[in-house]
Amino acid sequence: AQSVTQLGSHVSVSEGALVLLRCNYSSSVPPYLFWYVQYPNQGLQLLLKYTSAATLVKGINGFEAEFKKSETSFHLTKPSAHMSDAAEYFCAVSFIGANSKLTFGKGITLSVRP
Amino acid sequence: KAGVTQTPRYLIKTRGQQVTLSCSPISGHRSVSWYQQTPGQGLQFLFEYFSETQRNKGNFPGRFSGRQFSNSRSEMNVSTLELGDSALYLCASSLGTGSASYYEQYFGPGTRLTVT
Repeated sequence: AQSVTQLGSHVSVSEGALVLLRCNYSSSVPPYLFWYVQYPNQGLQLLLKYTSAATLVKGINGFEAEFKKSETSFHLTKPSAHMSDAAEYFCAVSFIGANSKLTFGKGITLSVRP
Repeated sequence: KAGVTQTPRYLIKTRGQQVTLSCSPISGHRSVSWYQQTPGQGLQFLFEYFSETQRNKGNFPGRFSGRQFSNSRSEMNVSTLELGDSALYLCASSLGTGSASYYEQYFGPGTRLTVT
């Protein structure tokens, strides 16, 4: 079975500081990994995805993530936080044969202090 | 291009009642998936429909059902509502099915269901 662990439920950073949101996965087959963002009263928006091509994946809004098989991790980073980055972030896993099914982590709320 | 729309946006029901939620996918999208989002359990996959056929199902009781119409619009139904069914129900559409890595899923804003 596939699963995703997002440690902690809340991360707070200062504007301009590095953003690091952690995600570890468990999968018995090669995984596809995703990061989504959810703003209040909105649905989820795809930030980036890993599909076994490049291990360093660049997404929208300056976010990127690196797939590390040895650490079973797919942490999300952004060099400089902006106030507009405040939202809830979800890591998700899928795999070939799962069709469109995504298995999500619990999510992390990112707060950005001025 | 219009996004995924879900109706209604908010709903209040009483225990024991049933409810139907609607999802209109992005034009041209043929796959629709449903997710339940709660503070305790997070986001959980309910089911996926493609070309009017259920392709995948999550671990939910039979009270949760869905269907898809020939125009790709989808509905989900919850019968005999329980307090624990209170949640945000999200619908996602994609061009096709077969690989979440290939077909990006676009999420609607959700329907907030409150069961009293």
